[in-house]
Amino acid sequence: KQEVTQIPAALSVPEGENLVLNCSFTDSAIYNLQWFRQDPGKGLTSLLLIQSSQREQTSGRLNASLDKSSGRSTLYIAASQPGDSATYLCAVHNAGNNRKLIWGLGTSLAVNP
Amino acid sequence: NAGVTQTPKFQVLKTGQSMTLQCAQDMNHNSMYWYRQDPGMGLRLIYYSASEGTTDKGEVPNGYNVSRLNKREFSLRLESAAPSQTSVYFCASTRDLLGGQFFGPGTRLTVL
Repeated sequence: KQEVTQIPAALSVPEGENLVLNCSFTDSAIYNLQWFRQDPGKGLTSLLLIQSSQREQTSGRLNASLDKSSGRSTLYIAASQPGDSATYLCAVHNAGNNRKLIWGLGTSLAVNP
Repeated sequence: NAGVTQTPKFQVLKTGQSMTLQCAQDMNHNSMYWYRQDPGMGLRLIYYSASEGTTDKGEVPNGYNVSRLNKREFSLRLESAAPSQTSVYFCASTRDLLGGQFFGPGTRLTVL
């Protein structure tokens, strides 16, 4: 059974720091992996989607990498800003008949001015 | 282009009352989903609709029913609300079952 883990659960950093959020999954047979951002009291916003055949995706200051063989993905945020404060969630689509997303519990990020 | 919209934003019910949560998307997506989000539990799938005319159970379907009214709209009904259904409910849509998911703003439901 696929399980998705995000460590740490919470992270506090000073503004300007480069940081890495981690996502690990137990079954490497995935179709894709998606990173989301959730602001307090709001819905989820999709940040990046990486297909299983890809190694990384970039959007602005965000870079997500995928290593299927080790069951890991990282979300790199460059030059963090207070506006980056949010909860970041990752989710994987299993390959095969189960087309539903399997979710991690998220990392709550606080970027301090 | 509103994306995914949900109504209502907030609702308080008494145990045993019924209500329907509405969801609509304007992205011409085929697949739609209902999730609930609870502290420490993460997002859990209640029901999904792979395409117009089909619906399937997710992880936690008990106590809920859904209707895929047309391609745009997917509603979630609580027939007899229970305190355990106090949660934040999110609707999402995708081009297909393997596409990136787009979420609505959520409905905060409290059952007393």
